[in-house]
Amino acid sequence: DARVTQTPRHKVTEMGQEVTMRCQPILGHNTVFWYRQTMMQGLELLAYFRNRAPLDDSGMPKDRFSAEMPDATLATLKIQPSEPRDSAVYFCASGLASGTLSSYEQYFGPGTRLTVT
Amino acid sequence: LAKTTQPISMDSYEGQEVNITCSHNNIATNDYITWYQQFPSQGPRFIIQGYKTKVTNEVASLFIPADRKSSTLSLPRVSLSDTAVYYCLVGGQAGTALIFGKGTTLSVSS
Repeated sequence: DARVTQTPRHKVTEMGQEVTMRCQPILGHNTVFWYRQTMMQGLELLAYFRNRAPLDDSGMPKDRFSAEMPDATLATLKIQPSEPRDSAVYFCASGLASGTLSSYEQYFGPGTRLTVT
Repeated sequence: LAKTTQPISMDSYEGQEVNITCSHNNIATNDYITWYQQFPSQGPRFIIQGYKTKVTNEVASLFIPADRKSSTLSLPRVSLSDTAVYYCLVGGQAGTALIFGKGTTLSVSS
């Protein structure tokens, strides 16, 4: 049963610390999405990659967030320095390109719950 | 920029059919409409996707009128386990963002 994995599942850190979240997309999927979910804002798209190349990161605070795909099996989302307002659940999803972006069937990971104190 | 509007919440009883409507007045020509289900502490799960008319799978049906400015997710004979948040998703071409609506919280009672 193929699925997206994310690590860590939970992370508590102090303000100012660096946080790195990792995602392993489903083997064979060529598109990876990063989302953030909070009670106030709901699900927000932060960035997405196709064939490891960043296509859109307009939803991401550029000064402190960065997203990369070192290889096809690993996507990372880094926050440096972290702030309390970054506290949220961060989801990674993967999919297989089939036309316009919204025709993807996205498979979501279990998320990383980040708490910044 | 395609934006969606859904009811915040809905209540139902086991065995009933539930219809959740999503408005997306600014949907682009090439946009698909996708619905996801999310349980607490889990990531969203794909339910169904369509472009026009009607799509049906083993879980749900999706009705899309000719003008595509809205869509209706139909869940036949819901059970307690269908209690979840349901999201309508459109958009994504030409650099526009994939926008999840606020979601509809469906509560199914016995």
